[in-house]
Amino acid sequence: QSALTQPASVSGSPGQSITISCTGTSSDVGSYSLVSWYQQHPGKAPKVMIYEVSKRPSGVSNRFSGSKSGHSAFLTISGLQAEDEADYYCCSYAGSSTRLFGTGTKVTVL
Amino acid sequence: QVQLVQSGAEVKKPGSSVKVSCKASGVTFSSYSINWVRQAPGQGLEWMGGIIPISIFGTANYAQRFQGRVTITADESTTTAYMELSSLTSDDTAVYYCASGPGAAFVYWGQGTLVTVSS
Repeated sequence: QSALTQPASVSGSPGQSITISCTGTSSDVGSYSLVSWYQQHPGKAPKVMIYEVSKRPSGVSNRFSGSKSGHSAFLTISGLQAEDEADYYCCSYAGSSTRLFGTGTKVTVL
Repeated sequence: QVQLVQSGAEVKKPGSSVKVSCKASGVTFSSYSINWVRQAPGQGLEWMGGIIPISIFGTANYAQRFQGRVTITADESTTTAYMELSSLTSDDTAVYYCASGPGAAFVYWGQGTLVTVSS
């Protein structure tokens, strides 16, 4: 199984919206609505931002939203803020109790 | 509140094995699966495997690339999960995290354990 494909980097100015894509196959993203997104700041453990494609855990800003279409999932960050600068990873259920992470995207706030 | 506390950093020789522990508190141990995720220096997250810590299930599931080299176990009596990785090489130098949560989401994370493989 290969990692899900994400763009290496995405950037935006404060206040703008950005979208990160996560492309898989019919064996993972395309078959299950079990995609989650994680934010990771340097030296820290990842933090879940979105689960089950579009659900937001308690305490996560509503500026973060998720969606899915076919074999791809998307994370949108609206009203970009300096604190959103971090690495972001998608993760999908891939059958038989296995998971697959994306390649990761570095978000830069200009 | 749910806490996952991992064992400390390890330095290992190539060819040896390492066993990392993850103690859960603040949640019924059998509620969620315990998973292991690693991150090599400057690299991305990689799912290694997971286990539902109930003895009647007991079976762990592993990523294909680690099959035969990783063993994940769980001890209900001490609410502790373990990840053992054998035949270590320098490519296994990484921070190893345990992670857990409802469904397929990793809501709770351990603090990470740095494993360094060096001769």
